[in-house]
Amino acid sequence: QVQLQESGPGLVKPSETLSLTCTVSGGSITSYYWSWIRQPAGKGLEWLGRIYYSGSSDYNPSLKSRLTLSIDTSKNQFSLKLNSVTAADTAVYYCARESARPGVDYWGQGTLVTVSS
Amino acid sequence: DIVMTQSPDSLAVSLGERATINCKSSQSVLYSSNNKNYLAWYQQKPGQPPKLLIYWASTRESGVPDRFSGSGSGTDFTLTISGLQAEDVAVYYCQHYYTTPATFGQGTRLEIK
Repeated sequence: QVQLQESGPGLVKPSETLSLTCTVSGGSITSYYWSWIRQPAGKGLEWLGRIYYSGSSDYNPSLKSRLTLSIDTSKNQFSLKLNSVTAADTAVYYCARESARPGVDYWGQGTLVTVSS
Repeated sequence: DIVMTQSPDSLAVSLGERATINCKSSQSVLYSSNNKNYLAWYQQKPGQPPKLLIYWASTRESGVPDRFSGSGSGTDFTLTISGLQAEDVAVYYCQHYYTTPATFGQGTRLEIK
């Protein structure tokens, strides 16, 4: 059973960089697309971007200039860095696996990141 | 970006009755090369990540009860829950995978009447 677990600071100051890592267990990261999706409290889901095990990536244009995704196949991990954060970036961040059929079939439990001084 | 619009924003349905949620995309999400609609449906309960219910617009994910069904093609899609059960109370989202960004609908909150 594939499991994903997000890790990283729960509090980030405005203008700083939000960094999260997702550790994949129960399966290899060397396949599929690996995604980040976020959800502000009480609001809907926003697709941030995805990265393939080869390193190729796609970003949401609304964030592209601030967002960087990376992957470390040796550690079965992938990561997100979002710079110049504001309060609008406060959300639960999910890491996820995009299956070969369209759709996310495995999700992390999500981690709340609050942007505040 | 493809905009996904769900309707209604919320609905209340009696136990055992049918719930219907609509999703409209701003452009077709049907790939002519394989005749597949790149559209998925999710269920999200409070405090949990979303759960994949339907992919290819109408294919049920393994383990999903058969009271959940998806239909539609091109730009108009429907999620139907036949015989609503108490555990179906949740927010439901559609998402396209035709291009990136793979945007979601705004969500539909389903409650028991």
